[in-house]
Amino acid sequence: NAGVTQTPKFQVLKTGQSMTLQCAQDMNHEYMSWYRQDPGMGLRLIHYSVGAGITDQGEVPNGYNVSRSTTEDFPLRLLSAAPSQTSVYFCASSWTPGSNTEAFFGQGTRLTVV
Amino acid sequence: GENVEQHPSTLSVQEGDSAVIKCTYSDSASNYFPWYKQELGKGPQLIIDIRSNVGEKKDQRIAVTLNKTAKHFSLHITETQPEDSAVYFCAAMGSSNTGKLIFGQGTTLQVKP
Repeated sequence: NAGVTQTPKFQVLKTGQSMTLQCAQDMNHEYMSWYRQDPGMGLRLIHYSVGAGITDQGEVPNGYNVSRSTTEDFPLRLLSAAPSQTSVYFCASSWTPGSNTEAFFGQGTRLTVV
Repeated sequence: GENVEQHPSTLSVQEGDSAVIKCTYSDSASNYFPWYKQELGKGPQLIIDIRSNVGEKKDQRIAVTLNKTAKHFSLHITETQPEDSAVYFCAAMGSSNTGKLIFGQGTTLQVKP
């Protein structure tokens, strides 16, 4: 059982470049989310989805886009990368929205924007 | 929106001692409070959680307490071992019932042999 898979694990971008961070889960979870982790700031919610076709903004959505065309996949897009987006990104999934169940996290993507 | 404050940011204990990490939350309607452990280079993993209708929960050497009136909850680790060294995050699920988790800032726990 793969759980939550994130690719790539590491990425270096130049300012202004675009890229997509991939996230896939094989647990048929409805709820998926993206967090960024910065030193001393914990995990901050970027965007989340409560099901296929439904997405919403979290605490720090600016500069990021998401889509949820299938239950399994929840890609995060950086349209024009900025140095402030240098961070470690985590994708998470859980069973159903609002059911107070465990969130499973991927291994993370370490992104550096130069 | 929901805000979660976590203290201390770093904690160093001797092996065998107890460790306590505290969190406060702002949304009185929050009803779910998980704790996650993050080892170096890995994603966070759930270690224990508590729901708003329970005051305390234990699982072997770890326990969580919840004080709804004061809006704070704590993680207690007894008989600490070197493998307990990690970053610990508390979180709260807000009242909007969307499954959104708001995390604290994290505590780096070091257990010295």
